[in-house]
Amino acid sequence: AQKITQTQPGMFVQEKEAVTLDCTYDTSDPSYGLFWYKQPSSGEMIFLIYQGSYDQQNATEGRYSLNFQKARKSANLVISASQLGDSAMYFCAMREDNFGNEKLTFGTGTRLTIIP
Amino acid sequence: DTGVSQDPRHKITKRGQNVTFRCDPISEHNRLYWYRQTLGQGPEFLTYFQNEAQLEKSRLLSDRFSAERPKGSFSTLEIQRTEQGDSAMYLCASSLVEGGNYGYTFGSGTRLTVV
Repeated sequence: AQKITQTQPGMFVQEKEAVTLDCTYDTSDPSYGLFWYKQPSSGEMIFLIYQGSYDQQNATEGRYSLNFQKARKSANLVISASQLGDSAMYFCAMREDNFGNEKLTFGTGTRLTIIP
Repeated sequence: DTGVSQDPRHKITKRGQNVTFRCDPISEHNRLYWYRQTLGQGPEFLTYFQNEAQLEKSRLLSDRFSAERPKGSFSTLEIQRTEQGDSAMYLCASSLVEGGNYGYTFGSGTRLTVV
């Protein structure tokens, strides 16, 4: 079974609109972390936001917020007031915090295009 | 030190040749990771180091792949007898483990094309 599922291969959004990128995950570990990364055409993975499984509040970082619904195992990224520079690939990832595990498991990504 | 550096950015090689990539992590970071990303996919974990010790290797890391991190600073990833299926972006990341919440800083990657 896929551990991270991103069901939107591509999205087109008008500049200044808000956008939600979907991510669902699958784990039996009670402790885990969820990450969102942005990957522009240059290739670098840019960290956007982190949510721990025990965090009571949804994470926010500037224009980015994470809509964490633990019971539904979803961790959607919300970008407010989108800008042209937001056009990129976006990846959701999870780290299961069992002993000795260090790897991030990524989804297949969503390509976001902001239309002027 | 502004981030994770990877060299080269692009590498084109003939099938059967050996290639070596280098990653320079953020200097105070004690963990270093290698990931591989093929077209249309998210990155997949290959291996990671804590200081100079290689602590985990993925099954994706066949016998033709070897990674080192001498002295716990930079790391190299070598692929011997390259195959066309090795064509991918190879990403390096580093982190500083403090407590339970830590992030990963990625480099810009090395794009390998095997012809």
